Parts: sequence; C-alpha cells; structure tokens
Amino acid sequence: SYELTQPPSVSVSPGQAARITCSGDALPKKYTYWYQQKSGQAPVLVIYDDSKRPSGIPERFSGSSSGTMATLTISGAQVEDEADYYCYSTDSSTKGVFGGGTKLTVL
Amino acid sequence: QVQLQESGPGLVKPSQTLSLTCTVSGGSISSGTYYWSWIRQPAGKGLEWIGRISASGNTKYNPSLKSRVTTSVDTSKNQFSLRLSSVTAADTAVYYCARESSGETVKLYYYYYYYMDVWGKGTTVTVSS
Repeated sequence: SYELTQPPSVSVSPGQAARITCSGDALPKKYTYWYQQKSGQAPVLVIYDDSKRPSGIPERFSGSSSGTMATLTISGAQVEDEADYYCYSTDSSTKGVFGGGTKLTVL
Repeated sequence: QVQLQESGPGLVKPSQTLSLTCTVSGGSISSGTYYWSWIRQPAGKGLEWIGRISASGNTKYNPSLKSRVTTSVDTSKNQFSLRLSSVTAADTAVYYCARESSGETVKLYYYYYYYMDVWGKGTTVTVSS
C-alpha cells in the first residue's frame, strides 16, 4: 500500500529554519498537503497544493516539492510552532494517506 | 465560516457498533464540490483516514476498515454519520470529522484531488467492557 515517510522528530532553536520532509513515490504526480496539530487540538491545514498557504497562516510557513520529496519549511521557527506535523496525499485509488507525523521541538 | 461538531457515545463495548454523527454549521452540506470525511487518531499515534462521503452518497473507504465501515448523509439535518462495526480495543481513538475539498487539478497530469480543509474538534471513543 502507498506510504508517505516523515522523520519522527526535528529540533531547532527559536529563530532557526525548521525543515520537515515527506517522501512518497507518487509525489511527482500528486500534490502534498501539510497539517499542524498542537497538543490536544485538531489538525489545521498550513500548506495545500505543495506550496500554497491558506489565509491566516503566517508567511514563515512555506512548502515545496521536488521529485518524490515534499518539504515544509518554517522560516524563523517560534516556540508556538511546536507541534506535530503531518503530510497528506492520496493514492492511485484516491484513498487518503497520512505520513507518520513529525514532532517539531523549538527550544 | 463552516464548522463541524462530532457527537456520539464516548464508550462502546467490544464487538458492538460505534456510531458517530457530525453536524455541519455555517454552510450547507450539499453545496460546493465537497466530500465529508472521517479520520481517527489513537492516543499518542498518528492520523488514519477512514473514509469520505459526498452529499449524494458516493463513498470511498480505507481498505483496512472497509468491511466494517458505513457512512451516511442526512442533508435535511446537515449531518453525516459513521458506523464502525465489530469494534475492539484497537478502535479506541479520537475520531475527527472533516470537510474535504475536491476537484480536478493538474501536476504532472490531470487527476482528482481531495484534502481536508475544515476539521471538527474531535471526540474520544473508548472501546471497553
């Protein structure tokens, strides 16, 4: 079955850039979506169509995709950006698939 | 803006059927090119997509759960529902309902996209006797 692979954890100091990757065989053909989930809360969409930012999402959040890897970048990460981040896409049958999630620590 | 709210029993006995309802407010469940989906998350673990349904009743389920999952839509009440049969402790999780934006797009070639753009707050369901 189709899988999206993320690193379990990423750690940066405040003000540094945080980069979270997501790899999947179909990503050259399909867009990637990124969700932020803070502790005890529902996920929030932060990037759609690889690199577009929904209204209300800070400009420091950006996305890119090249080949089989998509990347979420948080430029100048802040303490409030600490959260779990999930990439998402669909497989060839349109079944939804989440990556395993990446815990971002900012300290 | 559209808001979603899950409701249903927080405790279900093993082998019974889990039933949840999601109420949509701030917009019609029948408007736009949206699907309505369910996602779950066991404590301390990642997100698992369960399935989606359109306002007209078209469905798509995760093959790993397909034999036990049923979804339905009640447009008169602006609600959609999830039923998961023969539950075990492994079905204990926070269950989220969400709106899925959908349509045709092109990256390398044309295809239909789906992604969740609005989520409910989630409801915890525990399977235990």
